Amino acid sequence: GESVGLHLPTLSVQEGDNSIINCAYSNSASDYFIWYKQESGKGPQFIIDIRSNMDKRQGQRVTVLLNKTVKHLSLQIAATQPGDSAVYFCAENMNYGGSQGNLIFGKGTKLSVKP
Amino acid sequence: DAGITQSPRHKVTETGTPVTLRCHQTENHRYMYWYRQDPGHGLRLIHYSYGVKDTDKGEVSDGYSVSRSKTEDFLLTLESATSSQTSVYFCAIGSGVRETQYFGPGTRLLVL
Repeated sequence: GESVGLHLPTLSVQEGDNSIINCAYSNSASDYFIWYKQESGKGPQFIIDIRSNMDKRQGQRVTVLLNKTVKHLSLQIAATQPGDSAVYFCAENMNYGGSQGNLIFGKGTKLSVKP
Repeated sequence: DAGITQSPRHKVTETGTPVTLRCHQTENHRYMYWYRQDPGHGLRLIHYSYGVKDTDKGEVSDGYSVSRSKTEDFLLTLESATSSQTSVYFCAIGSGVRETQYFGPGTRLLVL
């Protein structure tokens, strides 16, 4: 989910379990979405993207689901590993005519994997 | 980091001094972006470039300027640094609008 202050929401999971991280996006005109992973002290790393003409997209151990009706995006990580511990955030690209559609980023969710 | 380097990686400076951060890419991507990241905020766009000498403002551009004289380099300048500009700055590159942006490792800037 989205944070509303200095403290990010945290999801704590057991190693080997599946993780689901949620994101509510802001604009119904958004048509491109990306999930990023950011480890401490590093830059955001691309995980997976999805366009609005799709509801689901799968990658290696990750699945992104898009529900345009309720403007909701989720990232599912299968068989979560300690190396998956990081902050995850979504980004949306708003299509506003005549201008560059820049990415708008959520504040992120911290995933903590317990061994 | 997808062929993106940022320099310096860390900098401490004093209020009122000019600071220039450099982003260098080896991917030949047309678009380049500067973001800042602060606790309690998502990544916020400062400026971006859509080609050599083509730049535009982002959400938080006040107090910052940019230049892009070559495809591979995008410079961010703080003309007179203020404490509110203490942040982590990330450069990103992309091949087009509504395409993935790839991020550099970041520059941690402290303005005293």
